[in-house]
Amino acid sequence: DQQVKQNSPSLSVQEGRISILNCDYTNSMFDYFLWYKKYPAEGPTFLISISSIKDKNEDGRFTVFLNKSAKHLSLHIVPSQPGDSAVYFCAAKGFSGTYKYIFGTGTRLKVLA
Amino acid sequence: GAGVSQTPSNKVTEKGKYVELRCDPISGHTALYWYRQSLGQGPEFLIYFQGTGAADDSGLPNDRFFAVRPEGSVSTLKIQRTERGDSAVYLCASSPSNTDTQYFGPGTRLTVL
Repeated sequence: DQQVKQNSPSLSVQEGRISILNCDYTNSMFDYFLWYKKYPAEGPTFLISISSIKDKNEDGRFTVFLNKSAKHLSLHIVPSQPGDSAVYFCAAKGFSGTYKYIFGTGTRLKVLA
Repeated sequence: GAGVSQTPSNKVTEKGKYVELRCDPISGHTALYWYRQSLGQGPEFLIYFQGTGAADDSGLPNDRFFAVRPEGSVSTLKIQRTERGDSAVYLCASSPSNTDTQYFGPGTRLTVL
């Protein structure tokens, strides 16, 4: 069973507009969430994270929102740039003491110039 | 500083052969992880090392897979009697400790013919 789900395999956004990538999870024991960005032929690169005690974390153009009651998180990129075109993975980590990341299947973002 | 490096970047082998995949973590990182990413999927946890010991190998799919980290730095993932289903990108990640963000290498693309 897929504990972390990214239901949109792809997304296209115009340069300068907002990109919103979504992620749903099923395990209420997850206490830490991360977003990774992946370019072709490269490993995933850490982007931003959020602890379950928060509902928002912001870093420059990137903001992650967490809705624990809905078991949903989203990544907002504003403004979107062509260099943001990549595959974005949502990952979750279990309760304190665990270290395994459970990844979603990824969303391919294409930012159109 | 140097990131996580993995060699080879690509490996093509025949069914039934033995392969070794190498990971050089970031200097000073005590925690090391192996993940496997199949086409269209997110990375899937295989094994975690803390120092020289495998603290969790619950993700290894069967006993054909084995990993070592004899000196607490470089790690080797070993696959015996390879099968076509083993074809995937094998990712290595490291972190200063098991509670810190994991940093990924570029991966080794294994193709079993």
